[in-house]
Amino acid sequence: ETGVTQTPRHLVMGMTNKKSLKCEQHLGHNAMYWYKQSAKKPLELMFVYSLEERVENNSVPSRFSPECPNSSHLFLHLHTLQPEDSALYLCASSAGLQVSDTQYFGPGTRLTVL
Amino acid sequence: DQQVKQNSPSLSVQEGRISILNCDYTNSMFDYFLWYKKYPAEGPTFLISISSIKDKNEDGRFTVFLNKSAKHLSLHIVPSQPGDSAVYFCAASAGTASKLTFGTGTRLQVTL
Repeated sequence: ETGVTQTPRHLVMGMTNKKSLKCEQHLGHNAMYWYKQSAKKPLELMFVYSLEERVENNSVPSRFSPECPNSSHLFLHLHTLQPEDSALYLCASSAGLQVSDTQYFGPGTRLTVL
Repeated sequence: DQQVKQNSPSLSVQEGRISILNCDYTNSMFDYFLWYKKYPAEGPTFLISISSIKDKNEDGRFTVFLNKSAKHLSLHIVPSQPGDSAVYFCAASAGTASKLTFGTGTRLQVTL
């Protein structure tokens, strides 16, 4: 596979469930990102990792827990979510953190919290 | 408070004509601007960018114009093609890729 892949593509979970979103990049990049896109809202940056170190955490509730075991994989662990967390979750990667380093996005995971 | 605004949620243009998508920003610290395109069921893909030291950048059919004094940028697509039908996002950065701020997007429909 090439580019940035995300699994699952769709996820429905109850508020008491625990689930994880997975992102994998095949581009040899060093930086990875999680974004959230709610209906009629702009993409919101959640977390940024560079060389497996978290460099950005944009006041995201603790019910979202990221993990970056290596530079190719990024996870978002979910627990005790709320219905307002239903959104499209997008993963991206870039060569580095220079603003000219293009971010390449995966197709996203559509999450519905019941 | 949205720092990057795309005030037109949708735009319809005839094939062959020019499409102009607009974006306004409020943060004077933004110094790099990007446009992304998104098809349904796919992630956004990078289209074109411009640094604040320039006022125009061109790539084939796509041209981005930056007016710093008005805090406004626009994307021109000439000529528009049906395959250009997508949602276009404007984004801005204040010096680092880890601080990219997006607009809400404009849905472009190019009709035959």
